[in-house]
Amino acid sequence: EAGVAQSPRYKIIEKRQSVAFWCNPISGHATLYWYQQILGQGPKLLIQFQNNGVVDDSQLPKDRFSAERLKGVDSTLKIQPAKLEDSAVYLCASSFSTGSADTQYFGPGTRLTVL
Amino acid sequence: AQTVTQSQPEMSVQEAETVTLSCTYDTSENNYYLFWYKQPPSRQMILVIRQEAYKQQNATENRFSVNFQKAAKSFSLKISDSQLGDTAMYFCAQQTGANNLFFGTGTRLTVIP
Repeated sequence: EAGVAQSPRYKIIEKRQSVAFWCNPISGHATLYWYQQILGQGPKLLIQFQNNGVVDDSQLPKDRFSAERLKGVDSTLKIQPAKLEDSAVYLCASSFSTGSADTQYFGPGTRLTVL
Repeated sequence: AQTVTQSQPEMSVQEAETVTLSCTYDTSENNYYLFWYKQPPSRQMILVIRQEAYKQQNATENRFSVNFQKAAKSFSLKISDSQLGDTAMYFCAQQTGANNLFFGTGTRLTVIP
């Protein structure tokens, strides 16, 4: 079974530029998550999708971050414009459903550096 | 509010020895789940073990076991017969019915040959 795929693995941009990350969850997984992991910290949830609907985006800085999962499969996370403090690893995870605390499976992450 | 605390930023252990990583948490929920995830240098988060709060029996997965003390809100991870491949960051995490994983700050474990 293929795991969660993410691209790119690394991205370096200058502040005020825009950037987009892509995630393909495990086949059949209805729930998709985006986490931000700043160096030295644990991951923090940005947004959670159930199929193509948003379940929780309370921690997403909506003035600059946006995410979509139009067909309920792949997802894209965008930052526009980027700030220095957005430098982090962005992790995508998926789970079969939201019932009974289904195990979340993580992708390899995208390391973003904002100069 | 949920909090997860890992008080050991770094630990080391000799190969083949046993090590215990500490985690405490706080929640007002009655039904919740606790996890230990491993993050090697490749950055991929890998589930090590999970514990349902309603189960009294401690979870075990091969060389990995937990000591779950619900009243003390403590959830430690024991790694037996440590191997070089166990070198990684270890994160304790809590999850409630909303399925939002809440992570601690991690413990960096180094297995010394």
